[in-house]
Amino acid sequence: EPEVTQTPSHQVTQMGQEVILRCVPISNHLYFYWYRQILGQKVEFLVSFYNNEISEKSEIFDDQFSVERPDGSNFTLKIRSTKLEDSAMYFCASGETGDNTEAFFGQGTRLTVV
Amino acid sequence: AQSVAQPEDQVNVAEGNPLTVKCTYSVSGNPYLFWYVQYPNRGLQFLLKYITGDNLVKGSYGFEAEFNKSQTSFHLKKPSALVSDSALYFCAVRDVMNTGFQKLVFGTGTRLLVSP
Repeated sequence: EPEVTQTPSHQVTQMGQEVILRCVPISNHLYFYWYRQILGQKVEFLVSFYNNEISEKSEIFDDQFSVERPDGSNFTLKIRSTKLEDSAMYFCASGETGDNTEAFFGQGTRLTVV
Repeated sequence: AQSVAQPEDQVNVAEGNPLTVKCTYSVSGNPYLFWYVQYPNRGLQFLLKYITGDNLVKGSYGFEAEFNKSQTSFHLKKPSALVSDSALYFCAVRDVMNTGFQKLVFGTGTRLLVSP
């Protein structure tokens, strides 16, 4: 069964450092998403990406965040200068259609900012 | 804005017993409701969804959910729990942004522990 894979499973970084979270979506999918879950809180939508550009983003997704698909297989989330409050589980998802309620999710990357 | 609430952080049940994981929703308009499960070290997996039609929705792995409009609930159920059902369960609702983009709004999750 095809699945979305995310690396690393856990990343610890110092405040102010840049981090890149990596995702390999399912190969024939065209729509890509990032969600995050701060510990004990809800899973929140961050951004959607289609045709090599951001199609939607939430208010959380400020200038510190960026996404790209550098090589046609990976889909990355970059946080330019991490803050303590960026500590969360980050989920990548991909889908064949633009209905992200039918997306497939990865196992998540736990980011800890110290 | 659309939202869901999962009032229980954890549910404990013995194998073979029925299980219920609770979810209530708050929406404007017709709700599109979902359940996802996350097994250890795995991604969020779609279990089932309610769009319209029968209030009892059947999904993967023997799970079902009952949509109750008067109680604004969408509880996840299974008649006989398995130890392998132990996982984190998320209720979600579809929200439509001003641009027409559809996104999922998740609850905080409920951990289900099934004991042998």
